[in-house]
Amino acid sequence: AQTVTQSQPEMSVQEAETVTLSCTYDTSESNYYLFWYKQPPSRQMILVIRQEAYKQQNATENRFSVNFQKAAKSFSLKISDSQLGDTAMYFCAFMDTSGTYKYIFGTGTRLKVLA
Amino acid sequence: GAGVSQTPSNKVTEKGKYVELRCDPISGHTALYWYRQSLGQGPEFLIYFQGTGAADDSGLPNDRFFAVRPEGSVSTLKIQRTERGDSAVYLCASSLMGHPSYEQYFGPGTRLTVT
Repeated sequence: AQTVTQSQPEMSVQEAETVTLSCTYDTSESNYYLFWYKQPPSRQMILVIRQEAYKQQNATENRFSVNFQKAAKSFSLKISDSQLGDTAMYFCAFMDTSGTYKYIFGTGTRLKVLA
Repeated sequence: GAGVSQTPSNKVTEKGKYVELRCDPISGHTALYWYRQSLGQGPEFLIYFQGTGAADDSGLPNDRFFAVRPEGSVSTLKIQRTERGDSAVYLCASSLMGHPSYEQYFGPGTRLTVT
């Protein structure tokens, strides 16, 4: 069975600084997708970034980028130029490409951006 | 356009009662997912619908939980004989198709409290 581990329950960063959130996963699959989701206090999960395992190039979306290390089964999220609106829970998620395409989420990292 | 909506936003019920939670997906989305998020945890998969049929219900914790999607649009999650351990936020997500290249859009969730 696949598992996702986020070992940082809470993190804080000064506004405009850079922060990296860690995620490791375990799977025997060779092809899969990885995601980072943001969950603000409104509870609505918002997709931040997506990475396909067969693509070696790390995904980027504006201030958000990932460091995908397939051999190490590591998928960290880097947030550059942190903004107050980035304050939220961040969840790492795994999805395999066989079956029903359901997410397997980690336990989350609570990020607080300080003014 | 309208996103995924869920009603009610909050539901308080007594132990042993029956509850129904409703999800209105984005129009035209054929895939619909239910997840349960307990306090301090990431969302956990419950059930996946492709169209009207439940393609994967392996996440339902026991036979007190049941979900339907009779016309391939709105879905209802039904919980019989509620227990205090059922207290959680129930999230619904929909996507155009059940495939990781199609983003899953989440609703704001229903917070269920069983007293």
